Amino acid sequence: AQKITQTQPGMFVQEKEAVTLDCTYDTSDQSYGLFWYKQPSSGEMIFLIYQGSYDEQNATEGRYSLNFQKARKSANLVISASQLGDSAMYFCAMMSAGYALNFGKGTSLLVTP
Amino acid sequence: EAQVTQNPRYLITVTGKKLTVTCSQNMNHEYMSWYRQDPGLGLRQIYYSMNVEVTDKGDVPEGYKVSRKEKRNFPLILESPSPNQTSLYFCASSLSQGERTYEQYFGPGTRLTVT
Repeated sequence: AQKITQTQPGMFVQEKEAVTLDCTYDTSDQSYGLFWYKQPSSGEMIFLIYQGSYDEQNATEGRYSLNFQKARKSANLVISASQLGDSAMYFCAMMSAGYALNFGKGTSLLVTP
Repeated sequence: EAQVTQNPRYLITVTGKKLTVTCSQNMNHEYMSWYRQDPGLGLRQIYYSMNVEVTDKGDVPEGYKVSRKEKRNFPLILESPSPNQTSLYFCASSLSQGERTYEQYFGPGTRLTVT
C-alpha cells in the first residue's frame, strides 16, 4: 500500500523567510506523481506543484519548489519569501500506477509578521 | 470558467435517509474521484473513476456508491447514511493520459452531518 508521511503537524515561519515542509512516501511503483496542495481556512483545495518520478529536475512554480530526493523517497515543499497569505494547511499526495491518490495528514503553516 | 461543482454544499440529514451528492466538471476530464476529509486524518479517497463506466474503490469505500454514466458527472450515493459518515466531502477531476498523472481540480466541498 502507498503511504505518505508528513511529520510536522504544525510549523511557524516569519514573513519573508523560507520554509520547508517535509514529505516522505513509500511505494514500490517505478512510475508515480507527487503533488502538493494548499488548503486555506476557507476550505478549498488549491494545487501548488507537481513532480513526476521520472522528472530529472526539481519542479518549481513561482515561490514554490519541490526538493525531490528519489533515493530517500522524499518530496519536500519549499516556500520562499513567505507571505501572510501562505498560512494554511499543506498536503502532500502521491498517485501511482493504481491511480488511487493518497494524501498525507497535512502540515499547518502559520506565517507571522 | 473551468470548474468542478458539487451540490449541495451543506447538508444535515438523519440516519438511514438515502442521499446523493452531485459532482460535475466542465473540463472533459477522464479521471474523477471522491474524498472525505476528517480532522487529523487528512483526505482519504472513497472511490475513483478512470472514465465512463469504470469505477474503483479507494481507501474507504464502505457505505458509499458511485456511478459514472456520463463523463462530466460522478455522483456519490449514501444508501443508508450513518453518523460516522459525517465529514467534509470533496470531488475532484483531472486529465488521465497513460502513465502520466496530472493535478486534480477540486470542487468546493460538501459538509455533511448525519444525526
